[in-house]
Amino acid sequence: DIQMTQSPSSLSASVGDRVTITCRASQGISSYLSWYQQKPGKAPQVLIQAASSLQSGVPSRFSGSGSGTDFTLTISSLQPEDFATYYCQQSYSTPYTFGQGTKLEIK
Amino acid sequence: QVQLQESGPGLVKPSETLSLTCTVSGGSISGYYWSWIRQPPGKEVEWIGYIYSSGSTDYNPSLKSRVTISVDTSKNQFSLKLSSVTAADTAIYYCARHGPGGYFDYWGQGTLVTVSS
Repeated sequence: DIQMTQSPSSLSASVGDRVTITCRASQGISSYLSWYQQKPGKAPQVLIQAASSLQSGVPSRFSGSGSGTDFTLTISSLQPEDFATYYCQQSYSTPYTFGQGTKLEIK
Repeated sequence: QVQLQESGPGLVKPSETLSLTCTVSGGSISGYYWSWIRQPPGKEVEWIGYIYSSGSTDYNPSLKSRVTISVDTSKNQFSLKLSSVTAADTAIYYCARHGPGGYFDYWGQGTLVTVSS
């Protein structure tokens, strides 16, 4: 299985901050990497697919980059509704696997 | 707008079979991959397996011996059966859709299944 490791596991930030979350794959996955946002009691929602493609309807303050084994999710200016848990997921090969999550909290 | 809705018992006894159904509305089940995904409370997200609309399947090896996913295109539904459950199978179970890119673009709201006697 391909292991996905996110860092940090948790992060405190303020509204307006620029935030970066990292995801590392245990082997190369090309650009088969997606990012999700999950709020309490809700299903995850896709933000970024194919490493850097913004999903329709997602604000442009979210961006993704990377290929191979190292990927980043950047939120350019945090808004109150962005405080949530973020997951990366690889779809290079099955079993599809997710990172352990990064909980973004208000400072 | 595609919508997915899970249904099934919220409580299953140990050693019995967990059965869930996902009903797809607002779009056809044809031409897409349909997955089951679970998340134990406070733990990591785990992909269980998928079925393509044609009926082909792929399962997570960690669960393969206990999982069956089936599809009923006439009802726009697909289903999960997980046998010989234990407390470790207690989780929120989600159904979700993905295309060839492998990212999950539509999800059900999730249903909590508790394994307990």
